[in-house]
Amino acid sequence: EAGVVQSPRYKIIEKKQPVAFWCNPISGHNTLYWYRQNLGQGPELLIRYENEEAVDDSQLPKDRFSAERLKGVDSTLKIQPAELGDSAVYLCASSLAPMAGSYEQYFGPGTRLTVT
Amino acid sequence: QQQVKQSPQSLIVQKGGISIINCAYENTAFDYFPWYQQFPGKGPALLIAIRPDVSEKKEGRFTISFNKSAKQFSLHIMDSQPGDSATYFCAASKGSSNTGKLIFGQGTTLQVKP
Repeated sequence: EAGVVQSPRYKIIEKKQPVAFWCNPISGHNTLYWYRQNLGQGPELLIRYENEEAVDDSQLPKDRFSAERLKGVDSTLKIQPAELGDSAVYLCASSLAPMAGSYEQYFGPGTRLTVT
Repeated sequence: QQQVKQSPQSLIVQKGGISIINCAYENTAFDYFPWYQQFPGKGPALLIAIRPDVSEKKEGRFTISFNKSAKQFSLHIMDSQPGDSATYFCAASKGSSNTGKLIFGQGTTLQVKP
């Protein structure tokens, strides 16, 4: 079974430029998460989707970050414009719906963003 | 109340030894406690997880010990191997309330010397 797929794996951009990250979750997983992992720290949740609906985006900096999950499968996270402080690894994770009794979240390899 | 505190920050163990990593939480609503292993350039991989209705869970060389009254849980890696060298994260969430939001510790970098 294929795991969570993310692309690109690495991205280097200049500040004020836009950037987008793509995620394809594990087949059948209704819940999708975007986390940000700063160097030397644990991941922090940015947004959680249940199917197409964003059910927790309280940690998403909405002035510059946006996300979408059309058709409840793939998801895209966008930053516009990027700032130096956005340099981090952006991780996508997926899980079965919590109501299914399974709480395990499976992470993709991440996209390492460097803003210069 | 949302924090999960992890220690030590780094750990060096000889091959064959026992690695112990500790985590503490404050929010008593947390009811799902996973441990993740992360290698450089990779995403976190689920290692083992525990619910608060049991005090210990063992899977191979990995054991979680859970102390509900002290609000602490720990990961024990028995017979540590050089291949176990990685960063380990504890986490907690209110799984049963459907939020699914994992709160991660700061991570422990483990080095197992041959």
